[in-house]
Amino acid sequence: EVQLVESGGGLVQPGGSLRLSCAASGFTFSDHYMDWVRQAPGKGLEWVGRTRKKVNSYTTEYAASVKGRFTISRDDSKNSLYLQMNSLTSEDTAVYYCTRVRSSDWNGNFFDSWGQGTLVTVSS
Amino acid sequence: TQLTQSPSFLSASVGDRVTITCRASQGISSYLAWYQQKPGKAPNLLIYAASTLQSGVPSRFSGSGSGTEFTLTISSLQPEDFATYYCQQFDSYPITFGQGTRLEIK
Repeated sequence: EVQLVESGGGLVQPGGSLRLSCAASGFTFSDHYMDWVRQAPGKGLEWVGRTRKKVNSYTTEYAASVKGRFTISRDDSKNSLYLQMNSLTSEDTAVYYCTRVRSSDWNGNFFDSWGQGTLVTVSS
Repeated sequence: TQLTQSPSFLSASVGDRVTITCRASQGISSYLAWYQQKPGKAPNLLIYAASTLQSGVPSRFSGSGSGTEFTLTISSLQPEDFATYYCQQFDSYPITFGQGTRLEIK
């Protein structure tokens, strides 16, 4: 069974930093692109970004709203995904979900497994 | 690519047939997925490639469309189907979602 478990959320002051982690199990982590998706309280879903696989040199993609402030990384030896968030503002307050991308083919670019999410609150 | 769902809110009864529409601002072929989200829970994949049912999803859910207009249909609403539904395009970056359709019990 695929499991994705996020951790690291919490309260942070504006301008601060936070690092989220996602522990994956039940599948071959290194075979999949992995993404972060967030959801502000009472709002819809917003894609944050992606890390590709080793064969793709672990390249990344980001939403414009986080580019230059957030960094996605992975450690295949630990089956873990990370999201380093810097220069946080109240607009970044959201539940952050770790997601598995079905396949690296263009027609597999959707999210077939989600973690339970971790809440990040940016407030003074 | 912007995705616009309609309606944003839908009130229906158990047993009803409902359809939710997702329109893309530019053609996305069949690179569209649908998700269901219940309060306090993570989204759950229902349909991908516009019309392929994810394993384990009841057959009362179906999807259709290509290009710029897509639909999600629930043939006979069950009590557990009352939730919020999102479409998502994966034709190009940035990946985008529709704003959601909240389906409530009449």
